[in-house]
Amino acid sequence: NAGVTQTPKFRILKIGQSMTLQCTQDMNHNYMYWYRQDPGMGLKLIYYSVGAGITDKGEVPNGYNVSRSTTEDFPLRLELAAPSQTSVYFCASSYWVASYEQYFGPGTRLTVT
Amino acid sequence: AQKITQTQPGMFVQEKEAVTLDCTYDTSDQSYGLFWYKQPSSGEMIFLIYQGSYDEQNATEGRYSLNFQKARKSANLVISASQLGDSAMYFCAMREDGQNFVFGPGTRLSVLP
Repeated sequence: NAGVTQTPKFRILKIGQSMTLQCTQDMNHNYMYWYRQDPGMGLKLIYYSVGAGITDKGEVPNGYNVSRSTTEDFPLRLELAAPSQTSVYFCASSYWVASYEQYFGPGTRLTVT
Repeated sequence: AQKITQTQPGMFVQEKEAVTLDCTYDTSDQSYGLFWYKQPSSGEMIFLIYQGSYDEQNATEGRYSLNFQKARKSANLVISASQLGDSAMYFCAMREDGQNFVFGPGTRLSVLP
């Protein structure tokens, strides 16, 4: 049981480039999330999904896209990278009930220069 | 709207002493869960403890306990016998059934030798 896995761990992008951050969970969780965390700050929700085929915007969705074709995978796409997207990105998953904690991946540290 | 407040941006505690990290929340729902996460300097998010809104007893997990005062809408984390390894960011979070997690801004705890 690997939990939530993210790839890559680190990435440097040039302004205007695009990339996909991969996220996979093996706990059969229906909810999945993408957060970003800027240095010294808290978590901001980018996008979330309540199940395969269903996604919705969070607090800071601009510049990102997601898809959820399977229960396990929830990739985050960055189009036309900008320096403001320099951050640590966390993927997380959970069941829908309030009594169940959120499991986090190890994070991806992205730098856009 | 759900909201989490952590009024202490930073805290210091002497090694082996107890420390309380404050968290207040705002919700109109009767059924919700409260969570604390630890984020050490290595960056991963570590789940510490959970309290359900209907739980009559305060949650405890080893050296961690949650001081839950429902009428005051507070869910303070108490760490007993602080250790140097407790130095980290601590995030309080809340969730209602079927809703997203809401995180507070965090408290940075520094344990002094």
